[in-house]
This record gives sequence, structure tokens and C-alpha cells, in this order.
Amino acid sequence: GAVVSQHPSWVICKSGTSVKIECRSLDFQATTMFWYRQFPKQSLMLMATSNEGSKATYEQGVEKDKFLINHASLTLSTLTVTSAHPEDSSFYICSAWIPGTGKTKNIQYFGAGTRLSVL
Amino acid sequence: AQKITQTQPGMFVQEKEAVTLDCTYDTSDPSYGLFWYKQPSSGEMIFLIYQGSYDQQNATEGRYSLNFQKARKSANLVISASQLGDSAMYFCAMILNKFYFGSGTKLNVKP
Repeated sequence: GAVVSQHPSWVICKSGTSVKIECRSLDFQATTMFWYRQFPKQSLMLMATSNEGSKATYEQGVEKDKFLINHASLTLSTLTVTSAHPEDSSFYICSAWIPGTGKTKNIQYFGAGTRLSVL
Repeated sequence: AQKITQTQPGMFVQEKEAVTLDCTYDTSDPSYGLFWYKQPSSGEMIFLIYQGSYDQQNATEGRYSLNFQKARKSANLVISASQLGDSAMYFCAMILNKFYFGSGTKLNVKP
């Protein structure tokens, strides 16, 4: 299957600093990427949909200025958690979607996730 | 409104036995896709199987099969011959205009 690389896998930072998480599609072009947040023992919560070359679409309740998303190319989307605070500590997962028809299409491929711990 | 429902928070199965994980969905859109993902303790989401709403046959991928009952709006995952490595969280998901995930089922495979 397609490969999505997410970096870093784990980051610890001090309160007030900003953290950037990268999501790359390695062997395909992804016009659409998604960013999720997952709390322990809970399901994935969609934060935003990232479209290459345009502004991200944020879900209700997600602060746009807090979670900056940039999708500058067909293979890279970044999520920046600005002025991180302990309540932002969570597991963040990106995914890339290949729409269309056929057995290999319409599948969302996930990165390995990033564990963010804000002290 | 909940679009994907997984009613089993946790399940146990004996190694080498088959297990069914339940998933029901809610949509009036005739075009949708259904997925199952596995999330081990490492956190990564692993794609298992996909079923399109217009697919006539149930999807199968190795030991995984999807029991798609369109009239009942159910898309249960069947894992045959469970292995210890199958212990993980399993999420059912649906794609409409965006992706919707169920709350997950934690599967424990006993030796």
C-alpha cells in the first residue's frame, strides 16, 4: 500500500513553544490530507482537511490560529501547534487520501502518528 | 448524529478461533465506502479492508473479511484464525464527504 511518513514520532516541549509536525506521502501525490487528534482510549477526532494549494478546512471547535496547517505541495502537509500548552498534549495522526475508483483507490493511508507532550 | 457505531468496547477471543467485530452505519447517501483499520499499541493506523457501497461481493483480504449487509447497514469485520498479533484496537470508518470513525473495539487474543 501507499506510504505516509510522519515526523517526528514523539516530541516533548515546554509550554509556550511551537511544534511543527510533518506529513509526507512518499510514493504518491496527495491532494488531500487529513489531520486527526486522538486522546487515550478514544477514537480519532478529525481536526482539519488539508488541500494542496488552498486553505485548510477546520472542523467545528478547532482553533485555526492554534493549529496552523500548510499544504504547500502534493506530498507535504504540516501541522504547527502554536504556543503549545499542556492541554495540547495528545496523539496527532495525519493521513492522505487517494480518491477514485478501483481496489487501490478510496483508501486513507495514515502516518505513524506523533505523540506530543507539553510540559 | 452518530454515523458509525461500534457497540463492543472490548472483546476476547481464543487464539486460532474466528471473531466478528460489529459495525453499523447511518447514511442516506447511496455512495459511500466502509473501512476497517487496526491500531496496535504503537499507535499507527493500519488499513485492513475496504468495501464500496456498490460492491456486489463482500470484501476479503487474507484472514480478514467484511460481512456487508446493506439493508441492515452493517459492515462487520470477521477475522479468521486469530493470532496473538491481532490484539489491538479496531476502528470501523465510513467515507462520505469526509471520514467518520467509530469508537473502536479493543480485541484481546488469548493464547
